[in-house]
Amino acid sequence: DVQMTQSPSSLSASVGDRVTITCQASQDINKYLSWYQQKPGKAPKLLIYDASNLETGVPSRFSGSGSGTDFTFTISSLQPEDIATYYCQQYDNLPITFGQGTRLEIK
Amino acid sequence: QITLKESGPTLVKPTQTLTLTCTFSGFSLSTSGVGVGWIRQPPGKALEWLALIYWNDDKRYSPSLKSRLTITKDTSKNQVVLTMTNMDPVDTATFFCAHRQWLRPIKYWGQGTLVTVSS
Repeated sequence: DVQMTQSPSSLSASVGDRVTITCQASQDINKYLSWYQQKPGKAPKLLIYDASNLETGVPSRFSGSGSGTDFTFTISSLQPEDIATYYCQQYDNLPITFGQGTRLEIK
Repeated sequence: QITLKESGPTLVKPTQTLTLTCTFSGFSLSTSGVGVGWIRQPPGKALEWLALIYWNDDKRYSPSLKSRLTITKDTSKNQVVLTMTNMDPVDTATFFCAHRQWLRPIKYWGQGTLVTVSS
């Protein structure tokens, strides 16, 4: 299995802050990484696919970068509605694997 | 519009077999490249992929749970069924079904169904 190491596990930031989450794969996964936002009691929502492509309808303050084994997810200016848990997911290999999640809260 | 919905018991006893059904609309599981999978999430914990079945009946399982899982499809009913044997309290989780296109990330998810394992 491809192990996905996501950090930090939790993050506290102020409205307007730039927020960065990283995800490292245990082997080369090319560009096949996605980022999800999950709010309590809801299914995950796809934000970024193929490492850096913004899903339709997702605000442009969300972005992603990286390839191979190291990936970064950024919120350029944190908004109150961004409070959620964020997950990375690799889909280069089966089984699909997820990072452990980053819980984001407002300071 | 693609939608998926999970159904099944909310409570199962230890050692019992869990059977969950995913009923979907907006796509066909006979279309090349299309798959339906299951993911679970214990309360307060991370997502864990369980199983996936493709249009051509190719089935893939989580290696750590393979011996306990079976996934099947009924294309005429637009349903996918997951069975998980020998349930244990640690298997308490919300189970999601999801649509997956070949080599693409999961985009469409069901709402999830919470299954509690308790005597």
